[in-house]
Amino acid sequence: GESVGLHLPTLSVQEGDNSIINCAYSNSASDYFIWYKQESGKGPQFIIDIRSNMDKRQGQRVTVLLNKTVKHLSLQIAATQPGDSAVYFCAESGAAGNKLTFGGGTRVLVKP
Amino acid sequence: NAGVTQTPKFRILKIGQSMTLQCAQDMNHNYMYWYRQDPGMGLKLIYYSVGAGITDKGEVPNGYNVSRSTTEDFPLRLELAAPSQTSVYFCASSHSGRASQETQYFGPGTRLLVL
Repeated sequence: GESVGLHLPTLSVQEGDNSIINCAYSNSASDYFIWYKQESGKGPQFIIDIRSNMDKRQGQRVTVLLNKTVKHLSLQIAATQPGDSAVYFCAESGAAGNKLTFGGGTRVLVKP
Repeated sequence: NAGVTQTPKFRILKIGQSMTLQCAQDMNHNYMYWYRQDPGMGLKLIYYSVGAGITDKGEVPNGYNVSRSTTEDFPLRLELAAPSQTSVYFCASSHSGRASQETQYFGPGTRLLVL
């Protein structure tokens, strides 16, 4: 079936450095992608999204890059802070809409 | 707004017992969803609803039932609890249901342990 997966299960980052989290997807019909942040004991929290007609979108300290050619999605966090320590999930939605498929998650650990 | 609320926060069940996980949202969202999250894994869709009176199966519906009698509430029912249903359950809602137009807002989750 269609799936969304991640390359790295755990990412350790020095405080102040930039973080890059990667995600691969297999459904070429996917047209919408979201990154969620999940802190321990909490539900996923929306970070940023991108549509398939874009290849880059920026938010506050975060940037999402989409490479449709190789079906790859990444989340860049600038100047990583201790509060960024969490599990990050990518999710995708196909042309049918309304249902998201989630990847397995990457844990980001920020070292002081 | 309280957003999406879930009760209980944690529950231990014996095999074969039943329970209902409650979910409510006060954002007047049409679409509501139930996910389960196993340790170290992503979320899998159990059931979803596009509006009051309408429900549809997701990826992993077996062993669960849902109902949507009002816009605000979307309870998830486990009739015969099994150890495989040990998981964290998240409820979510969105306005339009078209994922490209509206993000889903998640509740804090219900941790369920079946022994």
